[in-house]
Amino acid sequence: SQQGEEDPQALSIQEGENATMNCSYKTSINNLQWYRQNSGRGLVHLILIRSNEREKHSGRLRVTLDTSKKSSSLLITASRAADTASYFCATDQMGSARQLTFGSGTQLTVLP
Amino acid sequence: ETGVTQSPTHLIKTRGQQVTLRCSSQSGHNTVSWYQQALGQGPQFIFQYYREEENGRGNFPPRFSGLQFPNYSSELNVNALELDDSALYLCASRLDGPSTDTQYFGPGTRLTVL
Repeated sequence: SQQGEEDPQALSIQEGENATMNCSYKTSINNLQWYRQNSGRGLVHLILIRSNEREKHSGRLRVTLDTSKKSSSLLITASRAADTASYFCATDQMGSARQLTFGSGTQLTVLP
Repeated sequence: ETGVTQSPTHLIKTRGQQVTLRCSSQSGHNTVSWYQQALGQGPQFIFQYYREEENGRGNFPPRFSGLQFPNYSSELNVNALELDDSALYLCASRLDGPSTDTQYFGPGTRLTVL
């Protein structure tokens, strides 16, 4: 079953604009991770935020986590055409065998 | 590149057949997980192996089975294939430890069941 749900399902923006994707989940977590996937290929790990962290940055990426609302957001600044991909949030739930539970993803299209 | 490799890249089988997919973990990683990703969906956890023992399983029937070898390579076996088994199969490896939470995914095997 899918724990995380991304919003929106699809997002289309112009190159140079910022893209924001949201993720909601249902149970307590150890951490939340964001992944990128290009055209049905393997998943590329972008960033991990632990349950005791509220914000994290990596290059053009900014992730926030609100455990009280069970939600996270991924901001990509100054987007490029190469950022076009599907983005997934994945939660590492407390008490699990450290498996990841993925949402259904946001398809981001960056127009040149 | 994550250092995780999978073979084959693509595979076509017919209903009722059996299939074996292979994964080579990143060097030093002792934990491997397998995920199934249907078209347009997020990956779903199948099972996880740690030091050659299964230590976690998702909601998949027993005809999905696996092995992990001493060199941390891994196999996913699916018996009695069904049409709904058509998907991208991903393996992911990590080093089990208190601060090693990141999983590194391979490129996947695209399985088509006719």
